[in-house]
Amino acid sequence: NAGVTQTPKFQVLKTGQSMTLQCAQDMNHEYMSWYRQDPGMGLRLIHYSVGAGITDQGEVPNGYNVSRSTTEDFPLRLLSAAPSQTSVYFCATRTSRHEQFFGPGTRLTVL
Amino acid sequence: AQSVTQLGSHVSVSEGALVLLRCNYSSSVPPYLFWYVQYPNQGLQLLLKYTSAATLVKGINGFEAEFKKSETSFHLTKPSAHMSDAAEYFCAVIGTRGGNKLTFGTGTQLKVEL
Repeated sequence: NAGVTQTPKFQVLKTGQSMTLQCAQDMNHEYMSWYRQDPGMGLRLIHYSVGAGITDQGEVPNGYNVSRSTTEDFPLRLLSAAPSQTSVYFCATRTSRHEQFFGPGTRLTVL
Repeated sequence: AQSVTQLGSHVSVSEGALVLLRCNYSSSVPPYLFWYVQYPNQGLQLLLKYTSAATLVKGINGFEAEFKKSETSFHLTKPSAHMSDAAEYFCAVIGTRGGNKLTFGTGTQLKVEL
């Protein structure tokens, strides 16, 4: 089993560009989420989904969109990239007992 | 509402010494508590969790944590540090009454010196 996979591993964007960070899982977990990690700030929840067709905002949703058409995939879209979105992005799934499994991360730089 | 506070953003110990990483939580309902470890350039990995069973929880790699309700603490310990323990450690909390948001602390970077 691959677990949680994320693509790309690294990305450089110019301000104003859009892109989609991909996340896929093969563990059949209903709950998926996106976090960003910035130095000294821990992980902050961007968006989450409790199942296909259901998404909700986390604590830092502005500038990001998500959709969940299948159990396996949970892409994160940056609509118009800004330097403040330079960060490391982690996708995670969660079991019914709240154990989270993280992907390897995407390191994004916005110039 | 829930939150965790990790005291000390950087902790340095000698190899073979006791590791103690501090975490205090705040939760309006009985919490589930977790410790995660992040090695350089990797995602987070679950070390251990407290879910209202035994208050002393044993995890992977020789780590353990004790839930102390009176002190609202969930400190992580390991009797003898190894070089391979050098990593960043995150404490996290979620409320037990159907909450969907796992809240993380800001992390503690553990350095192990010879």
